[in-house]
Amino acid sequence: EAGVAQSPRYKIIEKRQSVAFWCNPISGHATLYWYQQILGQGPKLLIQFQNNGVVDDSQLPKDRFSAERLKGVDSTLKIQPAKLEDSAVYLCASSLVMGQPNTEAFFGQGTRLTVV
Amino acid sequence: KQEVTQIPAALSVPEGENLVLNCSFTDSAIYNLQWFRQDPGKGLTSLLLIQSSQREQTSGRLNASLDKSSGRSTLYIAASQPGDSATYLCAVRGNYGQNFVFGPGTRLSVLP
Repeated sequence: EAGVAQSPRYKIIEKRQSVAFWCNPISGHATLYWYQQILGQGPKLLIQFQNNGVVDDSQLPKDRFSAERLKGVDSTLKIQPAKLEDSAVYLCASSLVMGQPNTEAFFGQGTRLTVV
Repeated sequence: KQEVTQIPAALSVPEGENLVLNCSFTDSAIYNLQWFRQDPGKGLTSLLLIQSSQREQTSGRLNASLDKSSGRSTLYIAASQPGDSATYLCAVRGNYGQNFVFGPGTRLSVLP
């Protein structure tokens, strides 16, 4: 079974530039998450999708971050314009369905963003 | 608001030791709890998932327990090996549909 795919693996941009990350979840997984992990900290949720609908985006800085999941499969996360404090690893995860207590979340390798 | 803490923040042990990693959460109304491993520069690998109705789960040398009433989970690693060196994260999921809230992790080093 293929895992969660993310690209690119690494990205270096200057502040005020824009950047986009891509995620392809495990086939058949309805729920998709984007997390931000700052060095030395645990991941923090940015946005959660169920199919192509947003379930939770309460911690997404909407003035600069946006995300979409067209057709309920792939997802893109965009930052525009980037700030120095956006330097982090951006992790995408997926799970089969919500509402099942035995449902595991599976994570991709992440995209390491450095803003200079 | 759910908060998750992990103790210790870092741990260094000689190879072969049995060890315990601790995870605490403030809201006991959880749906499940999942332990992950993260190698440097890598994503998260799922180790064990404990449903709220369960007390423990085992996989190989790993055993995770859950005490919902006290807001605690422990990850027990038997006969530690250098290959176990990584950061271990616990994450709790609240009621139906809620996302995972992560702890800050425990950075483990197993010395040969």
